[in-house]
Amino acid sequence: NAGVTQTPKFRVLKTGQSMTLLCAQDMNHEYMYWYRQDPGMGLRLIHYSVGEGTTAKGEVPDGYNVSRLKKQNFLLGLESAAPSQTSVYFCASSYSNGLSYEQYFGPGTRLTVT
Amino acid sequence: DQQVKQNSPSLSVQEGRISILNCDYTNSMFDYFLWYKKYPAEGPTFLISISSIKDKNEDGRFTVFLNKSAKHLSLHIVPSQPGDSAVYFCAASGTSYGKLTFGQGTILTVHP
Repeated sequence: NAGVTQTPKFRVLKTGQSMTLLCAQDMNHEYMYWYRQDPGMGLRLIHYSVGEGTTAKGEVPDGYNVSRLKKQNFLLGLESAAPSQTSVYFCASSYSNGLSYEQYFGPGTRLTVT
Repeated sequence: DQQVKQNSPSLSVQEGRISILNCDYTNSMFDYFLWYKKYPAEGPTFLISISSIKDKNEDGRFTVFLNKSAKHLSLHIVPSQPGDSAVYFCAASGTSYGKLTFGQGTILTVHP
């Protein structure tokens, strides 16, 4: 089992460019999440999905879009990157049985917007 | 409005001694709490959790204590080892769909 994987690991963008971050999980989890981590701010939830074809906004959704076309994949898109989106992005997934709140995280994508 | 706070950005302890990491929360709807550990250039990994119906949970060298009246939880690591040096995040859940609210993190350094 690979667990949660993220592509790419690093990326540098210029202001105004677009990109898509890919998250994949092989644990058959229903729930998936995208976070960003900034110094002194912990992890903040951007968007999440409770199943294939569904998405919802988290704490800091502005400037991002997401899609969950397949259960195992969760894509995070930046349509017009801004320097404020320089961050480390983590994807996570979890069970939906209501008994476990543990989320499994990917290794992260370090994004720099110049 | 930071609903989960870790007020100590860093903690330094000697190998073999106890490490105590603290976390405070403000939302009384939170009913499940977790600690995650994060090494540089890796994703966070789950360490230990506690439900609001308990006040203590142990797993080997790690113990989490929950004081609901004070809205405070702590993670005790005994004995501390150099390999425990990492960033520790506390997280809380009480909303639907397993969403977690994270604290800012505490950098733990264990000196040999």
